[in-house]
Amino acid sequence: EVQLVESGGGLIQSGGSLRLSCAASGFTVSSTYMSWVRQAPGKGLEWVSVIYSGGSTYYADSVRGRFTISRDNSKNTLFLQMNSLRDDDTAVYYCVRDKTTGSYLFDSWGQGSLVTVSS
Amino acid sequence: AIQLTQSPSSLSASVGDRVTITCRASQDISSGLAWYHQKPGKPPSLLIYSASTLESGVPSRFSGSGSGTDFTLTISSLQPEDFATFYCQQFNTYPITFGQGTRLEIK
Repeated sequence: EVQLVESGGGLIQSGGSLRLSCAASGFTVSSTYMSWVRQAPGKGLEWVSVIYSGGSTYYADSVRGRFTISRDNSKNTLFLQMNSLRDDDTAVYYCVRDKTTGSYLFDSWGQGSLVTVSS
Repeated sequence: AIQLTQSPSSLSASVGDRVTITCRASQDISSGLAWYHQKPGKPPSLLIYSASTLESGVPSRFSGSGSGTDFTLTISSLQPEDFATFYCQQFNTYPITFGQGTRLEIK
């Protein structure tokens, strides 16, 4: 059974840093594309970042230069390092898996990790 | 980035009703559209992809259609568990984008 479990969220001051983790089971993180998708309170969904199976990374314009996606293959874990956090980064962050590699269809989602940025 | 506009933003319906939600893309995305539903406090769940392909395990009362810029999600006979927020997503063009959501409430 595929499972994604996020951790690392919390309350952080504007300008601070936080690292989210997503522990995967039931499949190998490095074998497919993995993304982070966020949802601000009461709002819609926003794709944040992707890491390809080959290791290439891409970011939404809103986070490029501040966020870094990575993975630890030995721990089968995905990360999102978030620096220079702003109020509008407040959201639930979901770790998601591509249904098929490169599809950008998300068939598995974690339960989400809430990040609250306070000025 | 491609913008997706869903309509309506919210609607009220009763169990057994037939409901249609539309999603319009700001440019041609061929059949690169998916639909998700989300219940409060839960992550979204994939319902339909490639405009009309039902995800495994999704009931057949859900169906999708469209191509190019105009798409629809239809629920043929609403069940109590269907009341949720629905999002469309385009995966044809980077960066992927989502619609703003349609909240389906019980009348």
